[in-house]
Amino acid sequence: NAGVTQTPKFQVLKTGQSMTLQCAQDMNHEYMSWYRQDPGMGLRLIHYSVGAGITDQGEVPNGYNVSRSTTEDFPLRLLSAAPSQTSVYFCASSYSRQKNTEAFFGQGTRLTVV
Amino acid sequence: DQQVKQNSPSLSVQEGRISILNCDYTNSMFDYFLWYKKYPAEGPTFLISISSIKDKNEDGRFTVFLNKSAKHLSLHIVPSQPGDSAVYFCAADISGSARQLTFGSGTQLTVLP
Repeated sequence: NAGVTQTPKFQVLKTGQSMTLQCAQDMNHEYMSWYRQDPGMGLRLIHYSVGAGITDQGEVPNGYNVSRSTTEDFPLRLLSAAPSQTSVYFCASSYSRQKNTEAFFGQGTRLTVV
Repeated sequence: DQQVKQNSPSLSVQEGRISILNCDYTNSMFDYFLWYKKYPAEGPTFLISISSIKDKNEDGRFTVFLNKSAKHLSLHIVPSQPGDSAVYFCAADISGSARQLTFGSGTQLTVLP
């Protein structure tokens, strides 16, 4: 059971480049979320999804796009990378049919924008 | 405006002693609270949680206390072990679904042998 898998683990981008951070889970969780973690700060919610075809914005959505075509996958797209998007990105999933549940996190993607 | 605050960036304790990590929140809508542990280069892992209808939850060496009137929770680790050295994040949830967690900034716990 792999849980939540994120790829790549590391990425360096030039300003203005685009890329997609991949996230997949094999736990049949309806809910998936993307967070970013910056030094001295906790994780901040970028976007989340409550099921295939349904996404919504979190606290810091600007500069990021998401889509959810399947239950398993929730990719995060950076359309035009900026140095301010240098961060560690975490994908998480949780089980919708249980209240007061926890989120399971992937190992993270460390992104540097130069 | 931070809705969840962990005011101690770091804490050092001796092995075998108690570690107490604190967390404050401002949003009265939060009704479920979680603690996550994070090692370097890994994702956060769930440690323990508490619902707002309780004031204490225990799991082995870990106990979380919730004081709703003070909007304060704490994590107690007894006895502390060197393997507990990690960053601990407090998180709060409104829906109980864990799809929109609000995190504190974390506390680096170092347990000295």
